[in-house]
Amino acid sequence: AQSVTQLGSHVSVSEGALVLLRCNYSSSVPPYLFWYVQYPNQGLQLLLKYTSAATLVKGINGFEAEFKKSETSFHLTKPSAHMSDAAEYFCAVSDSSNTGKLIFGQGTTLQVKP
Amino acid sequence: DGGITQSPKYLFRKEGQNVTLSCEQNLNHDAMYWYRQDPGQGLRLIYYSQIVNDFQKGDIAEGYSVSREKKESFPLTVTSAQKNPTAFYLCASKEVSSGANVLTFGAGSRLTVL
Repeated sequence: AQSVTQLGSHVSVSEGALVLLRCNYSSSVPPYLFWYVQYPNQGLQLLLKYTSAATLVKGINGFEAEFKKSETSFHLTKPSAHMSDAAEYFCAVSDSSNTGKLIFGQGTTLQVKP
Repeated sequence: DGGITQSPKYLFRKEGQNVTLSCEQNLNHDAMYWYRQDPGQGLRLIYYSQIVNDFQKGDIAEGYSVSREKKESFPLTVTSAQKNPTAFYLCASKEVSSGANVLTFGAGSRLTVL
């Protein structure tokens, strides 16, 4: 069965510092992987997705993630944090079937300090 | 603009009452999903439907019911059998022919049981 683990429920960085949010997955088949962002009391917005093309995936708002099969990881990074990046971030995995079912990690809340 | 509309945004319920959460999409997506979000637990799948008049249970379907009589609508009923219904509920949709399993989410409905 597929699963996702996000390391660290809360991450705090200073404005302008590197953002690194960690995600490890378990999947018996080549996975599709996703990062979503959620602002308070809102739905989820897709940041980026990996679908077996390039291993370095660029998303919106300057975020990117690298798929590392040997480490079963899909960590999210941004070189320089902005105050508007403060939100909750979810990593998710789905299999290659077309059911659309996603399995989500527990989420990581990013705090950005001025 | 195309999107998913969830209503109501906030809902209060007394114990023992059934409540229905509305989810309407104008994206012409075939598949629709209901997720439940609790703090620190990520999102968990309640029900999903890939075609009108058909739906499948997700991981936590007990105490919930759904219908899919129209392509654009996928209401969720939280019944009195649900032991702990207080949560944030998110509806999502996907075009079945899209191979990347990218879900589009609504803004959510927050249910509080008094």
